[in-house]
Amino acid sequence: EIVMTQSPATLSVSPGERATLSCRASQSVSSNLAWYQQKPGQAPRLLIYGASTRATGIPARFSGSGSGTEFTLTISSLQSEDFAVYYCQQYNNWQPYTFGQGTKLEIK
Amino acid sequence: QVQLQESGPGLVKPSQTLSLTCTVSGGSISSGSYYWSWIRQPAGKGLEWIGRIYTSGSTNYNPSLKSRVTISVDTSKNQFSLKLSSVTAADTAVYYCARMTTVTGWFDPWGQGTLVTVSS
Repeated sequence: EIVMTQSPATLSVSPGERATLSCRASQSVSSNLAWYQQKPGQAPRLLIYGASTRATGIPARFSGSGSGTEFTLTISSLQSEDFAVYYCQQYNNWQPYTFGQGTKLEIK
Repeated sequence: QVQLQESGPGLVKPSQTLSLTCTVSGGSISSGSYYWSWIRQPAGKGLEWIGRIYTSGSTNYNPSLKSRVTISVDTSKNQFSLKLSSVTAADTAVYYCARMTTVTGWFDPWGQGTLVTVSS
């Protein structure tokens, strides 16, 4: 099983500032990585797939980068609606698909 | 656009079988090349993929749950279902259904989720 490790567990950032979230895979997943946003009481929402491609309707302030084992989600100029929990997911190996434990982005 | 909705009992007794159904609307479950998945999330914790089914009935399960999981599909009702046997308190979670294409691996869209509590 590929273990996904996200850091930090909690990130405190002020509105308008940039947030950088990290995700590391225990072995290479190539670019087969997705990012999701989850707000309280809601299902996860797909943000990024293919490590760097924004899903339909996702604002340009969200960007993803990386390949292999190291990945980054960057949110430039944080808006109030961006404070949520973010998960990465690898789909390079479906046996099984695995998610990171999440990074909680909170208002500073 | 396609929407998914989970349904089923919110309370299951220990050792019994958890049964949930996901109803797909806005499109046919048989159209296109899609896998239909179940994912769960214990309170305050991360996400765990349970398994997936293709409309042909072909299934794949998370090895950690494989001995207890059955996923099935009913194309006539545009639904797919999850059965998890011999449940314990550790199976208490919000259960989501979600779609993925057969050539990708990300999940989109998701259902809103349904909380299942295992308790006597």
